[in-house]
Amino acid sequence: QVQLQESGPGLVKPSETLSLTCTVSGGSISSYYWNWIRQPPGKGLEWVGSIYYSGSTNYNPSLKSRVSISIGTSKNQFSLKLSSVTAADTAVYYCARGSAACYECSVTWGQGTMVTVSS
Amino acid sequence: DIVMTQSPDSLAVSLGERATINCKSSQSVLNSSNNKNYLGWYQQKPGQPPKLLIYWASTRESGVPDRFSGSASGTDFTLTISSLQAEDVAVYYCQQYYPGLPWTFGQGTKVEIK
Repeated sequence: QVQLQESGPGLVKPSETLSLTCTVSGGSISSYYWNWIRQPPGKGLEWVGSIYYSGSTNYNPSLKSRVSISIGTSKNQFSLKLSSVTAADTAVYYCARGSAACYECSVTWGQGTMVTVSS
Repeated sequence: DIVMTQSPDSLAVSLGERATINCKSSQSVLNSSNNKNYLGWYQQKPGQPPKLLIYWASTRESGVPDRFSGSASGTDFTLTISSLQAEDVAVYYCQQYYPGLPWTFGQGTKVEIK
């Protein structure tokens, strides 16, 4: 059964770059869409962006100039980079993937990692 | 961008009664090539990641109880819980995932027991 696990710094300074990795176990990264979703404390879900296994990306327009998602098939990982962060980027960040029935859906999720932007 | 608007923001329903959550998209998410609405419903309980309940607007994900159902009419979508159980207390989100466009979530609907 596929499992996803987010990893990365829990604290990032303002104006720096947030970098997170999602490690996939129990399955291959060579299929489906791979998604990043975030949730500020006490607020709703916000789609950050997605990458298809072939490498094509789709980003939230409100973040597009600052966000980059990449895929590393050899390591079965995909990554998120968000530059020039501010306090508004403080959130739980989730990685998720689709399924054979719905490539674009977020069927399997990681547990999420809390990232705080503060000096 | 497609804006997803859910209603109500919260609702309280008695155990065993029906709960209905609405979601309206600002433009069609129907792909005419496959006649599928690119719309999903998620359930999120406190401290947990969201869980996919429904995809293609009306297809129940494997393992989801059949009291959960989804329907579509144009740009209006509905999630129905036919007989609310205590374990259904959660926040529910709709999301459109139309290919080639930015994907968006609704703001969420909190379901509680009356």
